Amino acid sequence: KQEVTQIPAALSVPEGENLVLNCSFTDSAIYNLQWFRQDPGKGLTSLLLIQSSQREQTSGRLNASLDKSSGRSTLYIAASQPGDSATYLCAPRPDKLIFGTGTRLQVFP
Amino acid sequence: DAGITQSPRHKVTETGTPVTLRCHQTENHRYMYWYRQDPGHGLRLIHYSYGVKDTDKGEVSDGYSVSRSKTEDFLLTLESATSSQTSVYFCAISEPGQGSPLYYGYTFGSGTRLTVV
Repeated sequence: KQEVTQIPAALSVPEGENLVLNCSFTDSAIYNLQWFRQDPGKGLTSLLLIQSSQREQTSGRLNASLDKSSGRSTLYIAASQPGDSATYLCAPRPDKLIFGTGTRLQVFP
Repeated sequence: DAGITQSPRHKVTETGTPVTLRCHQTENHRYMYWYRQDPGHGLRLIHYSYGVKDTDKGEVSDGYSVSRSKTEDFLLTLESATSSQTSVYFCAISEPGQGSPLYYGYTFGSGTRLTVV
C-alpha cells in the first residue's frame, strides 16, 4: 500500500525566505505526482504536475522535483510571501492519487 | 473550479438518515472520484468511477454508495449517516476525453462540509 510522508508537518518563516518542502512515498511505481495547496476551509488548488518521466517542473516561484526511484519529491518555494501561507499537499499517483497529510506553512511579514 | 460543482456546500443531518451529495462537471472528464478529508488522516478515497455505470470502491467505502448514470454527475450516498461520517467531502475529476489514461492531473471541487448530529 502506498504511504506518503510529508516533512515538516508545519513550518513558520519570515517573508523572503526560500523554502523546501519534502515528500516521500513508498511505492515508486507511479505515473505522476501532483502538488496542491489548500487554504483553510477551501478546496485543493493544483500547483504542479510532474510526470514519472520528468525530473522537475516549474511555475513562477515554485519548482518541484521528482526522484521516482528513491520515492522522493521536493517543492521549492522561492522568496516566500505571506500569501503563500497554506497547507501544501503532495499526491503521487500509482493509479489513483494518494495523499500525504501535508505541510502547514505560515509566512509572516 | 474548472467546471466542477459540488452540492450542497454545507449540510447538517441527523444520525440514521440517508444523505446524497452531488458532484457535477461540465468538462466531459471520464474519471470521477469522491474523497473525504479528516484531521490527521489527510484525504482518503471513498469511491471512484471510470465512466457511466462503472464504479468501484476506494480505501474507505463502508457505509457509502455511489452512482453515475451520466458522464457529468457522480452521486455519493450515505445510506444511514453516522457521526463518524462527519467530514469534508471532495469530488475530483481527471482524464479529459479519450486520451492516454493516468497522465493527467486531478481537479478538485470546493467541497461539501457534512455534519452528522
